[in-house]
Amino acid sequence: AQSVSQHNHHVILSEAASLELGCNYSYGGTVNLFWYVQYPGQHLQLLLKYFSGDPLVKGIKGFEAEFIKSKFSFNLRKPSVQWSDTAEYFCAVIMGGTSYGKLTFGQGTILTVHP
Amino acid sequence: GAVVSQHPSRVICKSGTSVKIECRSLDFQATTMFWYRQFPKQSLMLMATSNEGSKATYEQGVEKDKFLINHASLTLSTLTVTSAHPEDSSFYICSARAGASNQPQHFGDGTRLSIL
Repeated sequence: AQSVSQHNHHVILSEAASLELGCNYSYGGTVNLFWYVQYPGQHLQLLLKYFSGDPLVKGIKGFEAEFIKSKFSFNLRKPSVQWSDTAEYFCAVIMGGTSYGKLTFGQGTILTVHP
Repeated sequence: GAVVSQHPSRVICKSGTSVKIECRSLDFQATTMFWYRQFPKQSLMLMATSNEGSKATYEQGVEKDKFLINHASLTLSTLTVTSAHPEDSSFYICSARAGASNQPQHFGDGTRLSIL
């Protein structure tokens, strides 16, 4: 079955540490890839997206993600996290050929950043 | 821009009651709206996809007679949970998208439904 997997359920970092959150999907065709963030008490917000072209995508708030097609991965990175990055992060994928472009979400990763 | 309003944010009601949840795109026209359900400590699970003026497409295992979806205009979709029971208690989230199928979805704040 087509699925999206996020490897870490909960990541705890200190401020200024580097961040990498893993995301893998199981689908061999064309994909559109997204990372969403949900801050406490707020709705899901788009961090960044990949459709085509340069596999290294830069998003808001200093986040970036790299699409590695051979590894079916779209990992999220940030060189230096801040306390305000504390949130839950969701990887989501549109798998080509799916009607209406529906998103399949990963399980989410809770990031806690200590000041 | 791209604001999606979902109402109500919380509902507590008795078993057997029908509950309607509204999802509105405030500053764009949403050709497609999506309804998700999120269980505690789990990811969002798509329930159904609706296009304005068309019948909703339900995901496998989602009862269409239980979860009625109406997408009557380009800015409004409603989800009605009919004859709700305690097992329907969950967090329901809508999203809306304008244009092409690979465009991002914009999410509402969600509705916490508790059935007593």
